[in-house]
Amino acid sequence: AQSVTQLGSHVSVSEGALVLLRCNYSSSVPPYLFWYVQYPNQGLQLLLKYTTGATLVKGINGFEAEFKKSETSFHLTKPSAHMSDAAEYFCAASTVDFGNEKLTFGTGTRLTIIP
Amino acid sequence: DAGVIQSPRHEVTEMGQEVTLRCKPISGHDYLFWYRQTMMRGLELLIYFNNNVPIDDSGMPEDRFSAKMPNASFSTLKIQPSEPRDSAVYFCASSWTSGAAGEQFFGPGTRLTVL
Repeated sequence: AQSVTQLGSHVSVSEGALVLLRCNYSSSVPPYLFWYVQYPNQGLQLLLKYTTGATLVKGINGFEAEFKKSETSFHLTKPSAHMSDAAEYFCAASTVDFGNEKLTFGTGTRLTIIP
Repeated sequence: DAGVIQSPRHEVTEMGQEVTLRCKPISGHDYLFWYRQTMMRGLELLIYFNNNVPIDDSGMPEDRFSAKMPNASFSTLKIQPSEPRDSAVYFCASSWTSGAAGEQFFGPGTRLTVL
């Protein structure tokens, strides 16, 4: 079964610093990969996704992620953190289970921005 | 479009009572998903529907939980009888596809507290 691992349940960075949130997946067959963001008291919204093609994917709010097959990773980055980036971030991978496709989510990383 | 609509936003009930959570997906979306989010277990897929038909209910925790989708614009998740361990935020999401390449749109969630 597919699993998604997010290293670090909490990450703190200073405003203006680089944001790096780590995600690894377990599938031997590269799945489709997603990053979602959850702001307090809200549902999840899509930041970006990788399906095929270019391995560097750009998303909303200045975030990007790079798919690295050799490392089975899909880390999320942003060059300069903003206070509004404080939220919880979820990595997800599509899986096929008995012919049905669904998303498997990681456990999430809470990002705190230090003024 | 108004997005995925969930009601109620907050529900407080006593153990043993029946709880019904409601969801209106985005018009035109063929898939509907019910998730549960807790601190301990993260985000869990409970069940999902395709064209109003339940496809995978393997995530439903036990027989106390049931979900229906009588038509394309409405779904319910029912817990009967409710228990304190059911306390969580329940999300509904919808998409055009099951998630392999498609984006899931999440509702704001229903925060359930069972006393």
